Amino acid sequence: GAVVSQHPSWVICKSGTSVKIECRSLDFQATTMFWYRQFPKQSLMLMATSNEGSKATYEQGVEKDKFLINHASLTLSTLTVTSAHPEDSSFYICSARTGATDTQYFGPGTRLTVL
Amino acid sequence: GENVEQHPSTLSVQEGDSAVIKCTYSDSASNYFPWYKQELGKGPQLIIDIRSNVGEKKDQRIAVTLNKTAKHFSLHITETQPEDSAVYFCAASISNTGNQFYFGTGTSLTVIP
Repeated sequence: GAVVSQHPSWVICKSGTSVKIECRSLDFQATTMFWYRQFPKQSLMLMATSNEGSKATYEQGVEKDKFLINHASLTLSTLTVTSAHPEDSSFYICSARTGATDTQYFGPGTRLTVL
Repeated sequence: GENVEQHPSTLSVQEGDSAVIKCTYSDSASNYFPWYKQELGKGPQLIIDIRSNVGEKKDQRIAVTLNKTAKHFSLHITETQPEDSAVYFCAASISNTGNQFYFGTGTSLTVIP
């Protein structure tokens, strides 16, 4: 149980284009989903927290107009990187939790490379 | 805000030996402490967690200890195996406050066969 999937697992795009990453909780309802960014050999950096049906809460320094987050249902959240640039290249990981526990279950991550 | 420090950053052990990773936290209100294992190119996987009302928790070869007074907690892996090689992250959070996790900086564990 508690499986979280992400799609795609990797994506290469041209500078200036937009990329959408999906995060799904497969066997539980996720009241809260989190989006992280991870640079090589570094820890996870929280980008935003989203609750189903509400606007996402962004961490300081994260541009909400560049990283659009939608949590439209209890099993799906999406992160759209708009007008991507090479510096947006990173490993993006989502996590999800139910309202009943504190545990966050992580997806497998999406490797974004912007050329 | 909460600050979590993790040591060591790298750790090499011989297969069969034990490995210990330590974390300290700053916010005494933190009451939930999970540990995650991350293999290269994959997402973190929960391996064990502990709450502040418990001093120790064990699951087969993995154990976690918590000292609330000193604000530190440790991960213990016994009888290490090559497949234990990965990066391990500790985290601290406060229940029912949005559950933001504050992660340590990670420990790269290498188990030498």
